[in-house]
Amino acid sequence: EAQVTQNPRYLITVTGKKLTVTCSQNMNHEYMSWYRQDPGLGLRQIYYSMNVEVTDKGDVPEGYKVSRKEKRNFPLILESPSPNQTSLYFCATRQGTRNTEAFFGQGTRLTVV
Amino acid sequence: QQQVKQSPQSLIVQKGGISIINCAYENTAFDYFPWYQQFPGKGPALLIAIRPDVSEKKEGRFTISFNKSAKQFSLHIMDSQPGDSATYFCAASGDNAGNMLTFGGGTRLMVKP
Repeated sequence: EAQVTQNPRYLITVTGKKLTVTCSQNMNHEYMSWYRQDPGLGLRQIYYSMNVEVTDKGDVPEGYKVSRKEKRNFPLILESPSPNQTSLYFCATRQGTRNTEAFFGQGTRLTVV
Repeated sequence: QQQVKQSPQSLIVQKGGISIINCAYENTAFDYFPWYQQFPGKGPALLIAIRPDVSEKKEGRFTISFNKSAKQFSLHIMDSQPGDSATYFCAASGDNAGNMLTFGGGTRLMVKP
């Protein structure tokens, strides 16, 4: 079954404590991205990767890091989380980059206190 | 500054009625306009998409209407059902960096039995 798997689904952490949200896909898609979802703002892209070792900033990259060492994995790293990063996070994959369907994971609800 | 503006933020419709959600965009380079449907606790999933070479696309009870000159597009859900209750996001992408999807703010639809 084609899947985009995120872990953890829920996370409560304290300000400044480094955390990683993992994302793994089994669809052999080249394009992966991270979004955050906030009420009234929709989904905003944080970072994206068009292939292994190729990453680039989206619309809201401040405070986040990513890496793409393998095609299937695209972890999101918060080096020093702050309360304004409390949000619902989604990983997504696409086959290619041009006008293709995005497949989303189940989401990770992060609370930073 | 949101490049894709979506309205209304919330919508209540009686079963059997028509649900209409509107989106407006600014970037004339956008050339792909998908709609995503999200149920609680799930990631968004592609519902229907349109390209600007057509003015309308219909899939079952769901129709996208597209007005290129006005830079607007809308989703119509005919014979709305309680199972359609979800959050709907319009989006757009084009020849921008990374071919990123830019999402509207979302519409929470409730269909009353």
